[in-house]
Amino acid sequence: AQSVTQLGSHVSVSEGALVLLRCNYSSSVPPYLFWYVQYPNQGLQLLLKYTTGATLVKGINGFEAEFKKSETSFHLTKPSAHMSDAAEYFCAAWNYGGSQGNLIFGKGTKLSVKP
Amino acid sequence: DTGVSQNPRHKITKRGQNVTFRCDPISEHNRLYWYRQTLGQGPEFLTYFQNEAQLEKSRLLSDRFSAERPKGSFSTLEIQRTEQGDSAMYLCASSQTGYNSPLHFGNGTRLTVT
Repeated sequence: AQSVTQLGSHVSVSEGALVLLRCNYSSSVPPYLFWYVQYPNQGLQLLLKYTTGATLVKGINGFEAEFKKSETSFHLTKPSAHMSDAAEYFCAAWNYGGSQGNLIFGKGTKLSVKP
Repeated sequence: DTGVSQNPRHKITKRGQNVTFRCDPISEHNRLYWYRQTLGQGPEFLTYFQNEAQLEKSRLLSDRFSAERPKGSFSTLEIQRTEQGDSAMYLCASSQTGYNSPLHFGNGTRLTVT
């Protein structure tokens, strides 16, 4: 079964600094990978997804992620953090178990942005 | 696209009571998922439907939990004889068929069991 590990439950950056949120997945089969963002008391919003093709995926709000098969990683980056980026970020991978599978999430990384 | 709608947003109940949550998915989505999220954790899969058929249930879904999706439209999640450990955010999501179809989430129902 698939599993997702997010390194660092809390990341703090200054406004304008690089954002790097780390995600590793476990499955040996080609993964479908996703990043979601969650603001307080809200549901999850899709930032970006990797299915096939280009390994550098661009998403909303200036975020991008790179799929690296050799490292089983899908790290999320943004060149310059904005105060509005403060939220919790979840990496997810499709789990092929069961009848059709479902989405498996990491434990999340809370991003704080200092002025 | 009006998004996934969940009601109520908040529910406070006493231990032992039954509660029911409702989810209205995006109209053209034939898949509907229920997840549970506790503080400091990512969402955990509970169950999902394709149209009206419940195709998979997690081991997290004890006998006190039941979900339905009559006519393949809205869905309800009922918890019987609630326990304090059931306190969590219950998230509903919908998607089109296919592994690369992302899940679209509602804003969740926060359950507090006192």
